[in-house]
This record gives sequence, C-alpha cells and structure tokens, in this order.
Amino acid sequence: EAQVTQNPRYLITVTGKKLTVTCSQNMNHEYMSWYRQDPGLGLRQIYYSMNVEVTDKGDVPEGYKVSRKEKRNFPLILESPSPNQTSLYFCASRGQGGTEAFFGQGTRLTVV
Amino acid sequence: GQQVMQIPQYQHVQEGEDFTTYCNSSTTLSNIQWYKQRPGGHPVFLIQLVKSGEVKKQKRLTFQFGEAKKNSSLHITATQTTDVGTYFCRPDFGNEKLTFGTGTRLTIIP
Repeated sequence: EAQVTQNPRYLITVTGKKLTVTCSQNMNHEYMSWYRQDPGLGLRQIYYSMNVEVTDKGDVPEGYKVSRKEKRNFPLILESPSPNQTSLYFCASRGQGGTEAFFGQGTRLTVV
Repeated sequence: GQQVMQIPQYQHVQEGEDFTTYCNSSTTLSNIQWYKQRPGGHPVFLIQLVKSGEVKKQKRLTFQFGEAKKNSSLHITATQTTDVGTYFCRPDFGNEKLTFGTGTRLTIIP
C-alpha cells in the first residue's frame, strides 16, 4: 500500500530537549516536504526536498532542521524545541510532474 | 510575490444547503489542486485542474478554474454531514515549493 508514515503520532516534550520526527514514504517519490498546521493559518511549509541531499527552506524554517540522506526518509529535527513550536506537523511526498501530494497521518507535538 | 488567498476561512451551513470556497491568486497558475482534510485526519487529494476555464465534477462537488488561471472554486451542492472538514487549494506557481491556501473549514448544522 502506498503511504507516508510519520512517527510518533503524539509527542509531549520539554523546552530545549532535542527531538526528531521521522517521515518515510514507499512510493519512490523525489519530492518531500514538512508542514505545520495551526488554527487559522492553514498548512505552512517548513522545509522541502527535491531529491536526495537537496533541501530548501519553506516559509517557516526557523527552529527546524531536516536531512535527506535517503530517498525514502525525510526526518524533521528540532534541536531546541520551544513552546511556540507546539503544533500539528505533516509530512508529504509527491512524484515528479506536479502530481498529487500524499500526506502522513500527522504528528501532534506539544512543547511545555 | 506569489500569494494565494482562500476564502472564507470558516463556513457554517445547514445540512442540504450549498457551499462554496474560493482560491484567488495574484499571479497566473500552472494548475491548481484541491484537498480535503476530515476532522482529525490528514489532507487528501481531490482533484487537479489544468486548463483555462476547466470545470470538473465529482458527484455533488464542482471544481472550476478561471479563464485567466488565477482563480478557482469548489462548490458543494446540497451538503451532507460527510462533507465536514477543511478544504485546501494548492496553487502551482511553477516552482517546487508546494504551498497551500489557508483552507476553508466547513461545519454542517444537522
């Protein structure tokens, strides 16, 4: 089954404690992206990657890091989480040519 | 810059009433996609519009792409409780950023 898998689904952490949210897709997609979703603000892009070892900033990259060492994986790293990073996070992937995007199930992160 | 505005932000309708959400871009688009996110779920692709003036239908849903390829709309006829959720447009500006509109949250009053 074609899917994008995020882990964990829920996470509560404390300010400053480094964390990683994993994202994996099994569709051999070149493009992967991270979003955060906050009430009234829609889906805001954090980082995206057009292929292995190619990453670029989205609209809200501050406080986040990503890596793309393998085509299937695109982890989101918060080196020093802060409460304003409490949000619902989605990973998405897409093949070449402007096709539809496939989303993971989401990760609800709370930073206290 | 390349911006898109999606309106309204929220819409409450009685079951059976119609619903429309609009996506308006400041620049010409290559294409536009629409997604639906059910409460507690993730966005799911509905449709893609590519041609100027294109109209596509999926049962009670009608999607339109403006003649100038700057505007699009999603219209639901006779809403049902299963239509509840947030609808996002995804304008393609010809770059790789994969940005989305701010979404329209639809709630249905039974």
